Amino acid sequence: QKEVEQDPGPLSVPEGAIVSLNCTYSNSAFQYFMWYRQYSRKGPELLMYTYSSGNKEDGRFTAQVDKSSKYISLFIRDSQPSDSATYLCAMSSAAYNTDKLIFGTGTRLQVFP
Amino acid sequence: NAGVMQNPRHLVRRRGQEARLRCSPMKGHSHVYWYRQLPEEGLKFMVYLQKENIIDESGMPKERFSAEFPKEGPSILRIQQVVRGDSAAYFCASSPFFREGTEAFFGQGTRLTVV
Repeated sequence: QKEVEQDPGPLSVPEGAIVSLNCTYSNSAFQYFMWYRQYSRKGPELLMYTYSSGNKEDGRFTAQVDKSSKYISLFIRDSQPSDSATYLCAMSSAAYNTDKLIFGTGTRLQVFP
Repeated sequence: NAGVMQNPRHLVRRRGQEARLRCSPMKGHSHVYWYRQLPEEGLKFMVYLQKENIIDESGMPKERFSAEFPKEGPSILRIQQVVRGDSAAYFCASSPFFREGTEAFFGQGTRLTVV
């Protein structure tokens, strides 16, 4: 079983739709949860960062963490064609003085006009 | 302030050759992480370095792979005697210090193709 599971998609939605992206994980030691966006042939860029459980909102993006269910989500409101990218969830436990990230496989999102 | 710089962006090597990938962290950053991304897979942690020290190499293959981050100059990921299975995108990330949950900034990656 992978430590982090993520549906690879692809997910295709019309412009303006609400998008829901999800990851599940098995390691209860994870404390930090991140969502990265990766455009084709580019490096990942950090979108959202959450510590422990709860919600965080930034513009059109909302991240949710439910540690009891080991489940995290990213919601994108009013999706735009420019949101078309691969979305990677990542998490870390920051144990043993290393902050390495464990990534999901990524969900490819396509927003069509 | 320039971001994390990786070079070359693309690298082609024949089987058995050596590949050297370079990563210059953001100014003021002394922590470097290397990740590998295989086709249709997420990023996999390889190694975490501070200046002149390897802190965590739990993700590095036991043979042919090595990494360094000298006092001066970029971090280097070295792959000896490359094989086709080494073809992947290699990403470097840097952060200013170790503190739980500190954001790491990624470079654009080096795409290694082994022919």
